[in-house]
Amino acid sequence: ELKVEQNPLFLSMQEGKNYTIYCNYSTTSDRLYWYRQDPGKSLESLFVLLSNGAVKQEGRLMASLDTKARLSTLHITAAVHDLSATYFCAVDISTSGTYKYIFGTGTRLKVLA
Amino acid sequence: DAGVTQSPTHLIKTRGQQVTLRCSPKSGHDTVSWYQQALGQGPQFIFQYYEEEERQRGNFPDRFSGHQFPNYSSELNVNALLLGDSALYLCASSETGNWDSPLHFGNGTRLTVT
Repeated sequence: ELKVEQNPLFLSMQEGKNYTIYCNYSTTSDRLYWYRQDPGKSLESLFVLLSNGAVKQEGRLMASLDTKARLSTLHITAAVHDLSATYFCAVDISTSGTYKYIFGTGTRLKVLA
Repeated sequence: DAGVTQSPTHLIKTRGQQVTLRCSPKSGHDTVSWYQQALGQGPQFIFQYYEEEERQRGNFPDRFSGHQFPNYSSELNVNALLLGDSALYLCASSETGNWDSPLHFGNGTRLTVT
């Protein structure tokens, strides 16, 4: 069974602290995506990781991909309240690039002032 | 440039009824995918339409069906609604061949089945 697992599921952290969210997946894939979802809202694309060793950074967030370990990380540096949201990783499992995503369970992040 | 638009935003139905949800893809996109997101869960792939045909399907029963129109817009139909069908239904669009870009999601339709 194809699985995409994230941990932790819930994360409460103080402003200014660093933390990492992990995304493990059980199938071969070179395409991994990170999305952010605010309560009651849709999914906003954060990062697209398309090859082994890919690293992308945007503001206080940095994402990386290790396809051999089937692991992606989302690192948060010096968290601020505005980063509070649910973060999903998604793996594209289609063999012909046809966008069939399997999403992780999500990590609900709460940044405390 | 309009993004992915979905209608309606909210819907309340009774068990056994049928529902139709609508989606217009982002300008320039020709492929539409539908996802179901239950409360507190990640989105689950329902199916995908391209060139007016269902190209891929997830693990959903035949009660879930869809359609794509020549202008690339799409509908999701659910028959014989169950309480467990209550969820946020997300439409996502993409451009065939532009594999380096992520799916673009609409704001979703919140379906409540009572």
